[in-house]
Amino acid sequence: DVKVTQSSRYLVKRTGEKVFLECVQDMDHENMFWYRQDPGLGLRLIYFSYDVKMKEKGDIPEGYSVSREKKERFSLILESASTNQTSMYLCASSRAGGPVYEQYFGPGTRLTVT
Amino acid sequence: GQQLNQSPQSMFIQEGEDVSMNCTSSSIFNTWLWYKQDPGEGPVLLIALYKAGELTSNGRLTAQFGITRKDSFLNISASIPSDVGIYFCAGRWLLGSQGNLIFGKGTKLSVKP
Repeated sequence: DVKVTQSSRYLVKRTGEKVFLECVQDMDHENMFWYRQDPGLGLRLIYFSYDVKMKEKGDIPEGYSVSREKKERFSLILESASTNQTSMYLCASSRAGGPVYEQYFGPGTRLTVT
Repeated sequence: GQQLNQSPQSMFIQEGEDVSMNCTSSSIFNTWLWYKQDPGEGPVLLIALYKAGELTSNGRLTAQFGITRKDSFLNISASIPSDVGIYFCAGRWLLGSQGNLIFGKGTKLSVKP
């Protein structure tokens, strides 16, 4: 079974703090993704990566950066947290290329910025 | 950008009832996936569809990849209380980026009061 783990289930940070969200997958997947989920807005893609040291902007990258130094690990960084970044953050991974595009999700990190 | 329209937004179920939901797109998709999300958890993959017309079951769940390649349906037969949660469809746009999926906004299943 694919396992995607996220470093924290719940996190409370203050405005202006630098925040690191870590994601690790154990299935040797090439692709990794970060989403945020908000009521009424569904899942929105922040950043994704198809390979080590590679990153691409998703639909809402502003205020975020990412790091992928190892294949199994993909980190999301909030350089200076703001209250509008309070959200549920979901990491996912998938194999590269087709025809299989199934993404497997971690349990999520509920981040509150005060 | 591409969007998926998922309906209904919410529905109430009574134990034993059959449930249906669907997703439609204005563009052709070559992959349809269905996920379920329990409160406070990440989405869990239920069913994956890769061919137009494909009908796939997973226990009491059945999903179909529409013939036009612009829609997909999920049916739950004889619902039970643990079926409550949010169901998401996701699709890969035929001309989209490698591996990226587009998600519907979800159908929330609740128990009828």
